[in-house]
Amino acid sequence: EDKVVQSPLSLVVHEGDTVTLNCSYEVTNFRSLLWYKQEKKAPTFLFMLTSSGIEKKSGRLSSILDKKELFSILNITATQTGDSAVYLCAPFSSGSARQLTFGSGTQLTVLP
Amino acid sequence: DTEVTQTPKHLVMGMTNKKSLKCEQHMGHRAMYWYKQKAKKPPELMFVYSYEKLSINESVPSRFSPECPNSSLLNLHLHALQPEDSALYLCASSQVGAGEQYFGPGTRLTVT
Repeated sequence: EDKVVQSPLSLVVHEGDTVTLNCSYEVTNFRSLLWYKQEKKAPTFLFMLTSSGIEKKSGRLSSILDKKELFSILNITATQTGDSAVYLCAPFSSGSARQLTFGSGTQLTVLP
Repeated sequence: DTEVTQTPKHLVMGMTNKKSLKCEQHMGHRAMYWYKQKAKKPPELMFVYSYEKLSINESVPSRFSPECPNSSLLNLHLHALQPEDSALYLCASSQVGAGEQYFGPGTRLTVT
């Protein structure tokens, strides 16, 4: 059975702090790993990672994938209150079961 | 246009009602998805349509009936729901075989 574990489950920091969110996975027919940010409603796409060791960056957010050790991390530097959200990790499987398997998410709260 | 729209935003229905949720995208995507999300849980996949054909049904009860009338539209017909079906229902779309899914804002469903 496919398994995705995110840690920590929740995190409270102050503005300006740097955070690292973790995602480990075991899925069949792994193809890529996606990170989403979910505030009150729809998850919004952050990154898709397909290759090991290549960091993707978008502003203060960055992410990297390790396909050998089956994990990914999402870093957020100089956090702001607007970063408060649930961050979801989702490996994508190819083949007959082409789908995302979401982890339980990390609830990040950034205090002013 | 990178938007997925869903209507209605909120829906309250009794256990004997019949209602429908609607989803629309104009990104040229040929894969569309329905997810169910309970509070403080990740989205759970319900149905996947590829090229307007149902390709994945995650053992969803028959009181949920999906329909894909054309490549831009996805409906979810609801009948005889239970209070435990109350949740946020999310629609998403993607290129077929691609992991990057774009989510709509969701319909908050309450079954009384």
